Amino acid sequence: GQQVMQIPQYQHVQEGEDFTTYCNSSTTLSNIQWYKQRPGGHPVFLIQLVKSGEVKKQKRLTFQFGEAKKNSSLHITATQTTDVGTYFCASHASGGSYIPTFGRGTSLIVHP
Amino acid sequence: GAVVSQHPSRVICKSGTSVKIECRSLDFQATTMFWYRQFPKKSLMLMATSNEGSKATYEQGVEKDKFLINHASLTLSTLTVTSAHPEDSSFYICSARAGGEATDTQYFGPGTRLTVL
Repeated sequence: GQQVMQIPQYQHVQEGEDFTTYCNSSTTLSNIQWYKQRPGGHPVFLIQLVKSGEVKKQKRLTFQFGEAKKNSSLHITATQTTDVGTYFCASHASGGSYIPTFGRGTSLIVHP
Repeated sequence: GAVVSQHPSRVICKSGTSVKIECRSLDFQATTMFWYRQFPKKSLMLMATSNEGSKATYEQGVEKDKFLINHASLTLSTLTVTSAHPEDSSFYICSARAGGEATDTQYFGPGTRLTVL
């Protein structure tokens, strides 16, 4: 089935450093969604990207959808300890699949 | 944002018993509900997709007789783990989607942590 590869699996940063996680697919995606899961919590929806080349920002978070709609990235500027958690991308393949597929997630650890 | 509740949040049971987990969409009607399983520090594994009034669609490798799903109404889906064993211990999370389009947002419940002794 549809697979979304997400890298890196873990990322340690010092507070104030930037962070980026990437999602890649071999097939064209109809959309991509990003979620954040705090330790012990459940995934919380952050944003959805639908258009080719789309860029959206939420304060220090910047989300991008590739021109070919096969990859996406989440970039956090100047990380804070509140950014700690696992960030998942989820997508649906183009062509009618309404079943979401999640990436394996990137766990962000921020050291104060 | 939309709210999805899940009950119970935590359950401990003896091996061989059955456990029912409820997932409710509180402020919207969920056309589709998803059930996931998550192992520690792992991604969400989709178990099944349920649409109100029809049989659930199970992912490959998920035993439908083991994990019974009932989507009784547009606001309620239940997952019953039958004859639970220690290997069924996991974090079970449901999500609900209001529309039938791939672009419709999923809202996740808080999860149920199942421990089978």
